[in-house]
Amino acid sequence: NAGVMQNPRHLVRRRGQEARLRCSPMKGHSHVYWYRQLPEEGLKFMVYLQKENIIDESGMPKERFSAEFPKEGPSILRIQQVVRGDSAAYFCASSPTSGNSYEQYFGPGTRLTVT
Amino acid sequence: AQSVTQLDSHVSVSEGTPVLLRCNYSSSYSPSLFWYVQHPNKGLQLLLKYTSAATLVKGINGFEAEFKKSETSFHLTKPSAHMSDAAEYFCVVSADREGFQKLVFGTGTRLLVSP
Repeated sequence: NAGVMQNPRHLVRRRGQEARLRCSPMKGHSHVYWYRQLPEEGLKFMVYLQKENIIDESGMPKERFSAEFPKEGPSILRIQQVVRGDSAAYFCASSPTSGNSYEQYFGPGTRLTVT
Repeated sequence: AQSVTQLDSHVSVSEGTPVLLRCNYSSSYSPSLFWYVQHPNKGLQLLLKYTSAATLVKGINGFEAEFKKSETSFHLTKPSAHMSDAAEYFCVVSADREGFQKLVFGTGTRLLVSP
C-alpha cells in the first residue's frame, strides 16, 4: 500500500507566478489535510477536505490560496501570485475517516521556494 | 482552544543515555495526543498516540510517553538514545471539533545525539 504521495518534492517559483502542489492520499483514504511548515516552526493547519467538499479552511490565508479535492484525481493546493513569504514546506496528510481515533498519515512534503 | 507547549527547543544527549522530551498541553476536553518525528528534509512519522486508553503509551523505536492529566503533560522518553534518533520531534494535540481531527503542533524539539 503506497503511502501519501506529494509532487513535486521541490518547487521553485518567481514572485508573481502560480504554484500548484499535488497530493494523492493513501488508498482507501477519503480525508485530506494540508499543513504549512515555515522555517524553524511547527506545522500549521491550513485546510481539511473530503471528496468534492471543503470541510474547514480556517487556516488558509484569505487571498491567493485555494484547495480542492475532486472526485477523481489528487488534491491540489494552489497558490496564486506567490510572494517570498510563501516559501515553506507544505505537507499533505490523509486519513480513512475523521475523528480522534484515526491517525493522519503524512506525505514527504513539497518544499516551495519563491525567488 | 487546544495548544501544546514543548518546553525545550533543543535537547542534547550522548548515545546510550536516556532521552526526555517535554510537552505540556491545553485542552478544553479529553484530548488525543501524538508524538511525530521528522528527520531532515523528510516527512513526518508517527511515533505514538494517546487516545484515552492506557496512560502509558508505547511507540516505535523504543519510545514511550505517559499521559498525566493532573500535570497536563505528555512527555516522550526513551531509555537509551541511538545516533539515528537525532531528529526534530513534535508534540501534537488533536482539536476534535465538529467531528474532524485538526492537529495542533508544538514548535518542535531538536534532539542531538553525540557519540
